[in-house]
Amino acid sequence: DAKTTQPTSMDCAEGRAANLPCNHSTISGNEYVYWYRQIHSQGPQYIIHGLKNNETNEMASLIITEDRKSSTLILPHATLRDTAVYYCIVGLAGAGSYQLTFGKGTKLSVIP
Amino acid sequence: DTGVSQDPRHKITKRGQNVTFRCDPISEHNRLYWYRQTLGQGPEFLTYFQNEAQLEKSRLLSDRFSAERPKGSFSTLEIQRTEQGDSAMYLCASSQQGAAGELFFGEGSRLTVL
Repeated sequence: DAKTTQPTSMDCAEGRAANLPCNHSTISGNEYVYWYRQIHSQGPQYIIHGLKNNETNEMASLIITEDRKSSTLILPHATLRDTAVYYCIVGLAGAGSYQLTFGKGTKLSVIP
Repeated sequence: DTGVSQDPRHKITKRGQNVTFRCDPISEHNRLYWYRQTLGQGPEFLTYFQNEAQLEKSRLLSDRFSAERPKGSFSTLEIQRTEQGDSAMYLCASSQQGAAGELFFGEGSRLTVL
C-alpha cells in the first residue's frame, strides 16, 4: 500500500472550515483515498473516500488533486465535537481492501 | 444500538494468563476485522474474516494470538500466555462486501497485562 504523510497536529477555530492535508505521492491507479477519524477513547469512524473525483457527504468534502498525489479533507463548519485524530489512508477497494494501514494521523483541535 | 459491540471493554490480567475478547458485528455485514492499537499509534491490522472463513491471518502478532468466527456471526480473539507487551486496545470492525474500505469499528477492548 502507498504511504501517506500528514501534519502531526492542527488547530481550527470553531465555526471555521478545517482543511486537513494529506500527501500520497506513491499512490497507484487502483488505490482509493480513505479518511477516518478517532475521537478520544472511541473506535475509528469512517468519514469519506474517493478515487479521482472530489466527493462530498454529510460529514465532509474530499478534494483530490488531478495527479492524485495529494488530497484535502474539508470539514466545512468545525465544531468542538470534531476534535479528533484524522487518518488519511490509501488502499485498495474490493477484495483487496481488507487491510487498511493507519499511520499516526493529524490531531485536530477545534478551539472555541 | 445496532453497531459493532465488543466485550469486555476493559480487561486487566496477570502475565501468563489467557484472555478472550468477543466481537458482535453489524448483523448484515459479512466481513469482520481485528485491529490492535497501542498508545499514540494508529490501529494495526491483525486478521480478517469473510463469513466464517479467515482469509488473512499472517499479521497476527505471534502464535499466541488466534481468532475464530465459527458461524459467520460473532468472532473471538484469544491471546494465550499474555505478556506485558500485549497491553493495547483491541478493535473489531465489520463491513459489507460491496462497501469494502468502509469499516465500522466498535469501541474496543482495552487489555492491561500486569
